[in-house]
Amino acid sequence: NAGVTQTPKFQVLKTGQSMTLQCAQDMNHNSMYWYRQDPGMGLRLIYYSASEGTTDKGEVPNGYNVSRLNKREFSLRLESAAPSQTSVYFCASSEAGVWGYTFGSGTRLTVV
Amino acid sequence: AQSVTQLDSHVSVSEGTPVLLRCNYSSSYSPSLFWYVQHPNKGLQLLLKYTSAATLVKGINGFEAEFKKSETSFHLTKPSAHMSDAAEYFCVVSDRDDKLIFGTGTRLQVFP
Repeated sequence: NAGVTQTPKFQVLKTGQSMTLQCAQDMNHNSMYWYRQDPGMGLRLIYYSASEGTTDKGEVPNGYNVSRLNKREFSLRLESAAPSQTSVYFCASSEAGVWGYTFGSGTRLTVV
Repeated sequence: AQSVTQLDSHVSVSEGTPVLLRCNYSSSYSPSLFWYVQHPNKGLQLLLKYTSAATLVKGINGFEAEFKKSETSFHLTKPSAHMSDAAEYFCVVSDRDDKLIFGTGTRLQVFP
């Protein structure tokens, strides 16, 4: 099915370890986003990419880096994981002027 | 800056009774507003969207929302709750760059 694919679905890291969350979309969307979801706080934007080759910080970018590898793929990297980064991470894509985001199914990350 | 406030963190109803989930927004221009639903351990699904057309917006699964500019509200309603409606609901506003800004969520419980 067309949509947004995130890998992995679950991950446990030790404090200080690094990892990359992968996201790919097959809808030819220009814009892609990374959100984190924490209890009682809704979803907060970490980084976004309005088009291939561009990235911008969102509301909570500290501790993260992103790469828009090509139009399809947008990865999120944690260089040195901290327990405060325990969260559920969602990738999404959209097309400017066309309503609605498409969300991936999420990555549940635990940092111990 | 755009923002949304969901007035209730939890709502409990009996099956077959009406559902009301309240949302107020703040925007310096005519906003685009959304309701998303998230079932336990699932991704986010778009319920409905308001984009300055009809003020009463009908969504999936019998939900609807009414945009009231005078009250800066976009409340979500359903005439008769079903057990399958138990989920978390997010009111969302879009900023000028099409980034989504989420409310903190309302957890809906439906009792038999």
